[in-house]
Amino acid sequence: AQTVTQSQPEMSVQEAETVTLSCTYDTSESNYYLFWYKQPPSRQMILVIRQEAYKQQNATENRFSVNFQKAAKSFSLKISDSQLGDTAMYFCAFMKRPDGGATNKLIFGTGTLLAVQP
Amino acid sequence: EAGVAQSPRYKIIEKRQSVAFWCNPISGHATLYWYQQILGQGPKLLIQFQNNGVVDDSQLPKDRFSAERLKGVDSTLKIQPAKLEDSAVYLCASSPWGLDAEQFFGPGTRLTVL
Repeated sequence: AQTVTQSQPEMSVQEAETVTLSCTYDTSESNYYLFWYKQPPSRQMILVIRQEAYKQQNATENRFSVNFQKAAKSFSLKISDSQLGDTAMYFCAFMKRPDGGATNKLIFGTGTLLAVQP
Repeated sequence: EAGVAQSPRYKIIEKRQSVAFWCNPISGHATLYWYQQILGQGPKLLIQFQNNGVVDDSQLPKDRFSAERLKGVDSTLKIQPAKLEDSAVYLCASSPWGLDAEQFFGPGTRLTVL
């Protein structure tokens, strides 16, 4: 069975600063995806960034980037130039790569509540 | 493009009562998911539909929970009878057909069981 662990329940960062959220996972699968989702107070879960396990290059999306260490089973999220709108709960999630055309379920960590201070 | 719609947004019931949640996925999305998010935890899959067939319901408490997806579009999740530990946010998500398909989430229904 796969597990996802987020060891930082809460974090705080000043506006315009950089913050890194940690995530570790455990799996025996060789083909999988890793995700960071953002859940603002309104509760709509939004995909922030995705990493395919077979890709060595770390994914980036504007101010968001990941540090994917496959051997260590670590997947951290770096947010640069933090903005007030980044305040949210951030979830790390794992998905086994599908065999067919249908996606598989997401397995989530417990989340990190990020507060961006003005 | 309209997102995943869910209703109601909030529901308060007493234990042993019944409750139903409704989800309308994004048009054309073949796969639909119901997740349960208990306070302080990450979402956990309850059931996954592919069109109108069940793909995974291994974590659905079948003695009290049921779900259906008629005609492969809308879906309803029912709890009967509700327990205190069912208090949670119920999230619906959908994804199109494809190996790299992203899951799109609805706003959720917050259930409080008293």
